[in-house]
Amino acid sequence: DAGVIQSPRHEVTEMGQEVTLRCKPISGHDYLFWYRQTMMRGLELLIYFNNNVPIDDSGMPEDRFSAKMPNASFSTLKIQPSEPRDSAVYFCATTVVGAGYTFGSGTRLTVV
Amino acid sequence: AQSVAQPEDQVNVAEGNPLTVKCTYSVSGNPYLFWYVQYPNRGLQFLLKYITGDNLVKGSYGFEAEFNKSQTSFHLKKPSALVSDSALYFCAVSPDSNYQLIWGAGTKLIIKP
Repeated sequence: DAGVIQSPRHEVTEMGQEVTLRCKPISGHDYLFWYRQTMMRGLELLIYFNNNVPIDDSGMPEDRFSAKMPNASFSTLKIQPSEPRDSAVYFCATTVVGAGYTFGSGTRLTVV
Repeated sequence: AQSVAQPEDQVNVAEGNPLTVKCTYSVSGNPYLFWYVQYPNRGLQFLLKYITGDNLVKGSYGFEAEFNKSQTSFHLKKPSALVSDSALYFCAVSPDSNYQLIWGAGTKLIIKP
């Protein structure tokens, strides 16, 4: 199993541009989580899905952020328009109930 | 409110010495308990978990953790530290059999040669 696959690994974009982060979960994992990590705020849960359905998006900071999971094999996190304060490492993690999470390698986003 | 505390931002240990990274929690019910490690520029990696049974849980890379229900603690330990153990360690708790984790702030472990 290739694990949780995130792309791109690094993204540098200009303020105001749209950014799309991608995640391919482990097959059979029915929960998918999007996290953001910064030095100031640590690890923050943005949104999570169960069986492709968004369950809790209360961590999404603003309407500029949106996430989708059109099928069990793919999820996206979109920021439109992006701002410098969105700069962070964004992680996708997947799991099944009772198991530990498996994290992707993350996407390091820099908005200039 | 439910929470997880890692009281030490940083722990410094000499190579070869035993190490302990502390974690306490305030969660109702019978939680699942986890430890994760994060190396620089990497995602978090699962180390070990406690669900039920023996209070001493063994995990990856020679780490173990001791669950203490009366003290609501789940400290991470290793008998002999390696320089390569230097990383950021996160404690996390899942209330009952829930899927959502409550995370500690992380403890930076530095092992000096």
